[in-house]
Amino acid sequence: DADVTQTPRNRITKTGKRIMLECSQTKGHDRMYWYRQDPGLGLRLIYYSFDVKDINKGEISDGYSVSRQAQAKFSLSLESAIPNQTALYFCATSVHSGSPTGELFFGEGSRLTVL
Amino acid sequence: AQTVTQSQPEMSVQEAETVTLSCTYDTSESDYYLFWYKQPPSRQMILVIRQEAYKQQNATENRFSVNFQKAAKSFSLKISDSQLGDAAMYFCASPTPAQGGSEKLVFGKGTKLTVNP
Repeated sequence: DADVTQTPRNRITKTGKRIMLECSQTKGHDRMYWYRQDPGLGLRLIYYSFDVKDINKGEISDGYSVSRQAQAKFSLSLESAIPNQTALYFCATSVHSGSPTGELFFGEGSRLTVL
Repeated sequence: AQTVTQSQPEMSVQEAETVTLSCTYDTSESDYYLFWYKQPPSRQMILVIRQEAYKQQNATENRFSVNFQKAAKSFSLKISDSQLGDAAMYFCASPTPAQGGSEKLVFGKGTKLTVNP
């Protein structure tokens, strides 16, 4: 089983619908992240959380919200999906070993299509 | 905003040849790691190689090596003896300041590598 698991792997939805992407990890890492990948734009950070009580906006947080339900779970929500949120979404984790930040461990990605 | 620049959107190489993917970054951190990730068609993000900025020696992992020029903030990836399985998107990543004095990773836009048989 994957250490970082994302559900669903693929989802097609309609404009205006609420969507939740879930991420769970068995790596025991404190830090979790949500990135969005678009062709030609690379990966951009949506939200990140360094522990259960710490949630921070990334560079493209508008239209998204997150919930850190436990150390192992970090969910991303689109309250009212719009077509330009069609993208590949990645959850990632990293261990807090002090500075500097180390390797990110990625889930397998969730491809979201908003019609 | 601190950035990571990959100036080659696409590259191609003949099987068994060597190719170099370029990356420049802009970080205010003094002690940091730099990363190259590979994304094959399966879309999984796979760590290729990591460089510790305080180490002068360039990192190597089998056929993959980096040319790290700290003063120039350059971090290129060299793939030797290219194989068909190396065909993928390659992303460079460097840190940028985050909340609480920590860092988060910023990614470049990627380079699509094609390997020709």
